[in-house]
Amino acid sequence: KAGVTQTPRYLIKTRGQQVTLSCSPISGHRSVSWYQQTPGQGLQFLFEYFSETQRNKGNFPGRFSGRQFSNSRSEMNVSTLELGDSALYLCASSSRAGGGETQYFGPGTRLLVL
Amino acid sequence: QKEVEQNSGPLSVPEGAIASLNCTYSDRGSQSFFWYRQYSGKSPELIMFIYSNGDKEDGRFTAQLNKASQYVSLLIRDSQPSDSATYLCAVNVQAGTALIFGKGTTLSVSS
Repeated sequence: KAGVTQTPRYLIKTRGQQVTLSCSPISGHRSVSWYQQTPGQGLQFLFEYFSETQRNKGNFPGRFSGRQFSNSRSEMNVSTLELGDSALYLCASSSRAGGGETQYFGPGTRLLVL
Repeated sequence: QKEVEQNSGPLSVPEGAIASLNCTYSDRGSQSFFWYRQYSGKSPELIMFIYSNGDKEDGRFTAQLNKASQYVSLLIRDSQPSDSATYLCAVNVQAGTALIFGKGTTLSVSS
C-alpha cells in the first residue's frame, strides 16, 4: 500500500502571502489530521477531517483552514502568512476518526516564510 | 490544559545497552498511548501503541503503561546507533479527540 503523500515538499513564501498544502492519505483511510511542527513548540495539532467534515480543531488562528474532498484527499490553507508560520507541516491518516486510532504520517511540507 | 511531558535529553547510551524513555501525562482519563520515532529531517514513524496497563513487547522494543501513576515508557534493548533519533510520546485523551504529543526525547547511541 502506498503511504501518505504530501505536496509540495518544500515551499518558500513571503509574509502576507497565502499557501495551500495537499495531503493524500493511505488508500482506504478516511481520517486526515494536520500538525505543525516547530523546534520550540514541537508537534501541535491543527485539525482533523473525517468524511469531508472537520471533527476536531486545535488552538490555531482562523488564518489556518482546511478541507477534505470526497476521495479523502485534504488540503490546508494558511492565509496572510507570518514569519512564525515557518514550520514543518505534517499530515497523518488513519482508518477511523479520533486520535485513538493509529496514525501514519506523510513526509511533510517544509514551509519557510521570509 | 492537557499535557504530555518528556525529558528532552539528550539521552546517551552505549551500543548494546538498554535505553529507557519516559513520558508522563496529565489527564487521568487518557486512553491510548503511542510512541513515534523521528529521525532528523524526517516525519514521525510509529513504533508502538499501548492501551492497557502493563508491558507490550515488539522485538527490541517494550512499551510500559502505568495508568495509576500516569506514565508510559519505552525500553529499547540492545540499542544500536541506528536508534539515534527523537522519540515522541503521544496520548489520546478521549476517543474522538486528537493526539497530544510530547516534545520528544533525543536519544544518542554511541558505537
